[in-house]
Amino acid sequence: GIQVEQSPPDLILQEGANSTLRCNFSDSVNNLQWFHQNPWGQLINLFYIPSGTKQNGRLSATTVATERYSLLYISSSQTTDSGVYFCAVARGSTLGRLYFGRGTQLTVWP
Amino acid sequence: NAGVTQTPKFQVLKTGQSMTLQCAQDMNHNSMYWYRQDPGMGLRLIYYSASEGTTDKGEVPNGYNVSRLNKREFSLRLESAAPSQTSVYFCASSAQGLSGNTIYFGEGSWLTVV
Repeated sequence: GIQVEQSPPDLILQEGANSTLRCNFSDSVNNLQWFHQNPWGQLINLFYIPSGTKQNGRLSATTVATERYSLLYISSSQTTDSGVYFCAVARGSTLGRLYFGRGTQLTVWP
Repeated sequence: NAGVTQTPKFQVLKTGQSMTLQCAQDMNHNSMYWYRQDPGMGLRLIYYSASEGTTDKGEVPNGYNVSRLNKREFSLRLESAAPSQTSVYFCASSAQGLSGNTIYFGEGSWLTVV
């Protein structure tokens, strides 16, 4: 399978701070997604970003496929951003056959 | 409006018992998946079904069986539960569209095997 490494494993921020989460992967992929798992366990798809840059409000993501890494930026963090952020990748035709990293646990304090 | 619905939400089993996790999606997706999540880990794929009538093994299929009953439903069966199968199980479905691949997860099923 594909190895996915995320850093940092844990991140504690004050509300309003900015952060960058990193995802490295071991092989070429044609699917990369970022997910947020809230404290209740629900998984929300943030970005589908096999290459390039996307932005959605305070979140943005960049994937450099040739160098096998992706970055998730969170600006002006809020307490509701707390949870675990997962990077997941896939290759081949079944794009939901994902390999997940261990995640970054983000805690935002008021 | 339901998305991906999985049942039961919580279950406690004794070692050796069997059970089936049910999953249904109402988004007309072709592909469906079963993942498990253990503490401090990302999700790992157990089985998937790329389309109705097909199923394939994922990373961790041992001890599980699946059935793609129709396009909407994909069930996961534990024939003889073991403590190592204590986990949170997520069903998901996906579709490939113009904006890329979108995968939707159910809310999870917490399974404890004692």
